[in-house]
Amino acid sequence: DVKVTQSSRYLVKRTGEKVFLECVQDMDHENMFWYRQDPGLGLRLIYFSYDVKMKEKGDIPEGYSVSREKKERFSLILESASTNQTSMYLCASRGVDRGRFFGPGTRLTVL
Amino acid sequence: GQQLNQSPQSMFIQEGEDVSMNCTSSSIFNTWLWYKQDPGEGPVLLIALYKAGELTSNGRLTAQFGITRKDSFLNISASIPSDVGIYFCAGTYNAGNNRKLIWGLGTSLAVNP
Repeated sequence: DVKVTQSSRYLVKRTGEKVFLECVQDMDHENMFWYRQDPGLGLRLIYFSYDVKMKEKGDIPEGYSVSREKKERFSLILESASTNQTSMYLCASRGVDRGRFFGPGTRLTVL
Repeated sequence: GQQLNQSPQSMFIQEGEDVSMNCTSSSIFNTWLWYKQDPGEGPVLLIALYKAGELTSNGRLTAQFGITRKDSFLNISASIPSDVGIYFCAGTYNAGNNRKLIWGLGTSLAVNP
């Protein structure tokens, strides 16, 4: 089975802090994604990557950046966290059947 | 822009009942995907559909890719308490030279034992 792991399940940060969310997948998938999930808004794509060192903006990239230095690892960076970035963050990788496999999520609270 | 409507928004049923939920799109989709999300976890892929008219089962779950390519439904038969969660549909469509994926807002299912 595909395993996608995220570095933290819960995270509390202060406004202005730099935040790193790490995601690792173990199935050699080329495509990886970062979403945020908010009540009433569903899943929204922040960034995705289709190869090492490649990245593409999703629907809501503002305030975020990403890093893909190794195939198995895709990091989401909040350069200066703000309260409106309080959310559930979900990492996913995509297999050959095009379905996305998700990690357990990181619930980030920015105070 | 592209819209994906998922209904119902929530359901509260008795254990043993059958459940049906559906998604409709404003234009033609290439793929339909159904996910389930348990509380505090990430979504898990249940069923993937790739062709119009395709009917696929996964245990007590059955999903179909509508013949018009603009809709899909998910049925759960003989519901049990562990079916509780949020069910999401997602679909891919052509956007210029790219293929995009969009998500429904989910159907929250509660099962009364």
